[in-house]
Amino acid sequence: GAVVSQHPSRVICKSGTSVKIECRSLDFQATTMFWYRQFPKQSLMLMATSNEGSKATYEQGVEKDKFLINHASLTLSTLTVTSAHPEDSSFYICSARPRVLSEQYFGPGTRLTVT
Amino acid sequence: GQQLNQSPQSMFIQEGEDVSMNCTSSSIFNTWLWYKQEPGEGPVLLIALYKAGELTSNGRLTAQFGITRKDSFLNISASIPSDVGIYFCAGRNQGGKLIFGQGTELSVKP
Repeated sequence: GAVVSQHPSRVICKSGTSVKIECRSLDFQATTMFWYRQFPKQSLMLMATSNEGSKATYEQGVEKDKFLINHASLTLSTLTVTSAHPEDSSFYICSARPRVLSEQYFGPGTRLTVT
Repeated sequence: GQQLNQSPQSMFIQEGEDVSMNCTSSSIFNTWLWYKQEPGEGPVLLIALYKAGELTSNGRLTAQFGITRKDSFLNISASIPSDVGIYFCAGRNQGGKLIFGQGTELSVKP
């Protein structure tokens, strides 16, 4: 149980375009989902926390107009990177917290490359 | 902000050896978690610790929640090649956020 999927697993986009990443909890409902970014050889940095049906809470230094987060249902959250630039290239990982259980379960990540 | 200092940064060991890594912080955490991440994958939870002083095992893995609530260690006994990966500690603060350590990259030589 407690499986989280992400789609796509890899995406390459041109500078200036937008890309959407989906995060789904497959076998549980998640009132809260989290989005992290991880640069090579570095740790996970929390970008934002999203609660179903409400606006996401962004960490300091994360542009909310650039990284649009939508948590439309208890099993789906999306991250849209708008007007992507090469410096946005990174590994984006979501996690979901089940209603009953207290720990976060992580998705497999999405490798974004902006050319 | 809150930070976790994880050490060592990397370890190169022989198969069969025991491994120890730890995390320290100047802040108190309510929960300590240990994750393993393999290349191109998300972190997988190994052990969760909820009480100061708690010692928990998961197979060959043993972790402890420091009595001061500011540190934790993870031991891996009798390492095998599939233990290779990056191990992260994470502390959950009173606000519910996870703060991650910098990771320990483990290499195991057969």
